[in-house]
Amino acid sequence: DSGVTQTPKHLITATGQRVTLRCSPRSGDLSVYWYQQSLDQGLQFLIQYYNGEERAKGNILERFSAQQFPDLHSELNLSSLELGDSALYFCASSFDSNTEAFFGQGTRLTVV
Amino acid sequence: ELKVEQNPLFLSMQEGKNYTIYCNYSTTSDRLYWYRQDPGKSLESLFVLLSNGAVKQEGRLMASLDTKARLSTLHITAAVHDLSATYFCAVAGYGNQFYFGTGTSLTVIP
Repeated sequence: DSGVTQTPKHLITATGQRVTLRCSPRSGDLSVYWYQQSLDQGLQFLIQYYNGEERAKGNILERFSAQQFPDLHSELNLSSLELGDSALYFCASSFDSNTEAFFGQGTRLTVV
Repeated sequence: ELKVEQNPLFLSMQEGKNYTIYCNYSTTSDRLYWYRQDPGKSLESLFVLLSNGAVKQEGRLMASLDTKARLSTLHITAAVHDLSATYFCAVAGYGNQFYFGTGTSLTVIP
């Protein structure tokens, strides 16, 4: 158990809908990262937050957004969902930008 | 953008044999990671390599890093079935975001 908690584990929703994925980082970690894993794109970095502020953006679609709250948990919001958004979404956390990041169990999103 | 190439994509090997997975990356980085992933599961950290010439071993797996060649290897010694999984290398870029290789799907055949 990495100490990073993601909910829900599985999510099935219809095209056009909006969902929210939640991540609780390890105790003491200030940085949260979101990754998408799909068969065609592999593992891709989406976005990073550090202590509540956005730190870096990767290949994140405009339909997706994220935030990190004062208690350091983070949420990834996916809207206007398309079939191609079906993937495993991972959250990772680290103390800062120079320390190892640990990954949660992931949320498997299926868009039907 | 930092590019990470990993090969082979698929590896089928017999128990007891040795093999090496290669990970090349395009620009300088001070950290390289190896992860294991079982189907539908999370990424399990195997090794963190921080400096040129770093070598780490755990059981039948050994990882090394050559920062000058921008190359890391994951060597498997005397493979056993339990090692069947997908292995990823990841290079830390700006802000600690990881750039992942394509993964190597390893199947160890009895």
